[in-house]
Amino acid sequence: EVQLVESGGGLVQPGRSLKLSCAASGFTFSNYYMAWVRQAPKKGLEWVATISTSGSRTYYPDSVKGRFTISRDNAKSSLYLQMNSLKSEDTATYYCARQVTGFDYWGQGVMVTVSS
Amino acid sequence: DIQMTQSPSFLSASVGDRVTINCKASQNINKYLNWYQQKLGEAPKRLIYNTNNLQTGIPSRFSGSGSGTDYTLTISSLQPEDFATYFCLQHNSFPLTFGSGTKLEIK
Repeated sequence: EVQLVESGGGLVQPGRSLKLSCAASGFTFSNYYMAWVRQAPKKGLEWVATISTSGSRTYYPDSVKGRFTISRDNAKSSLYLQMNSLKSEDTATYYCARQVTGFDYWGQGVMVTVSS
Repeated sequence: DIQMTQSPSFLSASVGDRVTINCKASQNINKYLNWYQQKLGEAPKRLIYNTNNLQTGIPSRFSGSGSGTDYTLTISSLQPEDFATYFCLQHNSFPLTFGSGTKLEIK
């Protein structure tokens, strides 16, 4: 059974940093592109980042480019999202997702609140 | 960037009704369109991928259609567990973009 479990969320002040983690199991992690998707409170979904199987290629929307960095450790079956220079508009639930024809499996999400 | 316009935003229907939800892309997305269901407090669940392919385990009352810029999710006979929010996703090109969602409520 595919499982994705996010961790690392919490309350952070504007301008500070936070790193999210996602532990994957139930599939061969190194064979799949992975992604982060977020959802602001009572809002829609926004794709945040994608990483290739080896980690050599990464993709971001303009809203987070230059501030967020996606990475992975295939030996640990783990995905990460380093978030720097956080803004109030980054407040959201962040989901880890396996990227296969879009997103096929999702974690339960982790809440990030950016507030002073 | 490809914009996804989803309609309606809200839909009130009864058990047994047939409902349709639409997504219109700002350009051709070559059938790279998925549909997701999200219940309160839960992660999204994929229902349909690449326009008309039913995800394993999803009931056959869910179906998808479309091409080019226009896509539709149909639920043939609503069941109580279908009342949720539905989103479309285009994965034809980066940045991947979602529709704004349709909240399906019990009439």
